Amino acid sequence: DAGVIQSPRHEVTEMGQEVTLRCKPISGHNSLFWYRQTMMRGLELLIYFNNNVPIDDSGMPEDRFSAKMPNASFSTLKIQPSEPRDSAVYFCASSHSGLANEQFFGPGTRLTVL
Amino acid sequence: RKEVEQDPGPFNVPEGATVAFNCTYSNSASQSFFWYRQDCRKEPKLLMSVYSSGNEDGRFTAQLNRASQYISLLIRDSKLSDSATYLCVVTAGGYNKLIFGAGTRLAVHP
Repeated sequence: DAGVIQSPRHEVTEMGQEVTLRCKPISGHNSLFWYRQTMMRGLELLIYFNNNVPIDDSGMPEDRFSAKMPNASFSTLKIQPSEPRDSAVYFCASSHSGLANEQFFGPGTRLTVL
Repeated sequence: RKEVEQDPGPFNVPEGATVAFNCTYSNSASQSFFWYRQDCRKEPKLLMSVYSSGNEDGRFTAQLNRASQYISLLIRDSKLSDSATYLCVVTAGGYNKLIFGAGTRLAVHP
C-alpha cells in the first residue's frame, strides 16, 4: 500500500515567494495533520483536519500560513509570503481516527527560504 | 515548562548494551502514550504504544507511571540499527492531539 505522499521533497525559494506543499493521505484515513520540524522547536502540529474539515489550526504560526483540504485525498499547505524563518521540514501525517491514534507520516518536504 | 520533556542525549552505547530512556509529561489528563522512532532525515514512525500495565515488543519494553507522569523505554541487546532518535509522545485534547517530545538520540557503536 502507498503511504502518505508529499511533494515536493525539497523546495528552495527566495524570501517573499509563495510556497505550496502538497499531501496525499493514506486511502481510507479520515484525519490529516500538518507538522513542522526544526532543530530549535522540534515537531510542532500546525493544523489538523478531520473528514476534510479543519478542527484545530491553533498551531498555524500566522496569517502567512494557510491550509486546505478540498477532498479526502488531497491537502495543501501554503506560505505566502515566505520568510527565512519558515525554513524547516514540513510533514504531513494521516490516521484513521478510530484506530489507536497511530499517525502515519509522509517523507516530509524540506523547505529552505533564502 | 515543556509539555513533554526528554533527555536529548546522545546516548552512545556499544552493541549488546541495555539502554533506557525516560520522559515526563505535564498534562495529567493525557490518555494515550507512545514511543516513535525517527531515523536521520526521515519521518517519525510509531515504535510502540505504552500501556499502564507495561508492554514488551521483542527487545523493547515500555512502561508508564501515571502517578509520576513518567514514561520509559528500555532497549535490550542494542543493535547498530537501533541508532535513531526516540520521540516520547502523549495525547492531549478532545481529539487526541499528539504532543511530541524533542527526542532522545541513541548511537549504537560496534
